[in-house]
Amino acid sequence: DTAVSQTPKYLVTQMGNDKSIKCEQNLGHDTMYWYKQDSKKFLKIMFSYNNKELIINETVPNRFSPKSPDKAHLNLHINSLELGDSAVYFCASSHALGRGPPDTQYFGPGTRLTVL
Amino acid sequence: DAKTTQPNSMESNEEEPVHLPCNHSTISGTDYIHWYRQLPSQGPEYVIHGLTSNVNNRMASLAIAEDRKSSTLILHRATLRDAAVYYCILRDAPYAGGTSYGKLTFGQGTILTVHP
Repeated sequence: DTAVSQTPKYLVTQMGNDKSIKCEQNLGHDTMYWYKQDSKKFLKIMFSYNNKELIINETVPNRFSPKSPDKAHLNLHINSLELGDSAVYFCASSHALGRGPPDTQYFGPGTRLTVL
Repeated sequence: DAKTTQPNSMESNEEEPVHLPCNHSTISGTDYIHWYRQLPSQGPEYVIHGLTSNVNNRMASLAIAEDRKSSTLILHRATLRDAAVYYCILRDAPYAGGTSYGKLTFGQGTILTVHP
């Protein structure tokens, strides 16, 4: 009965490869996010989707392309991986924006990406 | 986005109360004060949030200064499981149309160590 799940948990790959990370939430939320936590432990928003529509793109290189096939899924595809992409990537979800106070975000367990 | 200032680290003994301070002198009238925490090797989790009045929930209490320029997260009886990084985050209300709409902007947070 996991609320926000991500696969894989660990991903080790070579520079230049293309890889995807999947995220699914079973909370019935309309909004999903991707965050990146670098080696210095700073957590930073990358993307936000509301009802499958992109609403936030925080100057992430266009090698990163989020894809939302439906409201319960937000996958992250990364082309031409670079060493600097090594980080932990967290998916999160919340109720639709605009309904009263800022809503709670629920985070997945993270995917640790290592680019060699 | 309005910024917050937290101590880099704090220590506590098990079963004792912990007061985690946060300064946010540039807070605006529509900013909510949120606290999240990140346990080791996990995604962040919501702790509590408030606007003006003090708030209590099963995890913690939030004490907000009258001028709203500072707040304190209170863990009434720390346990070893409370060892985590605690983040104090300001978020615009969605209707305010601020730039933090739909995202969490994490700072460095406070690393809480709990001693047995």
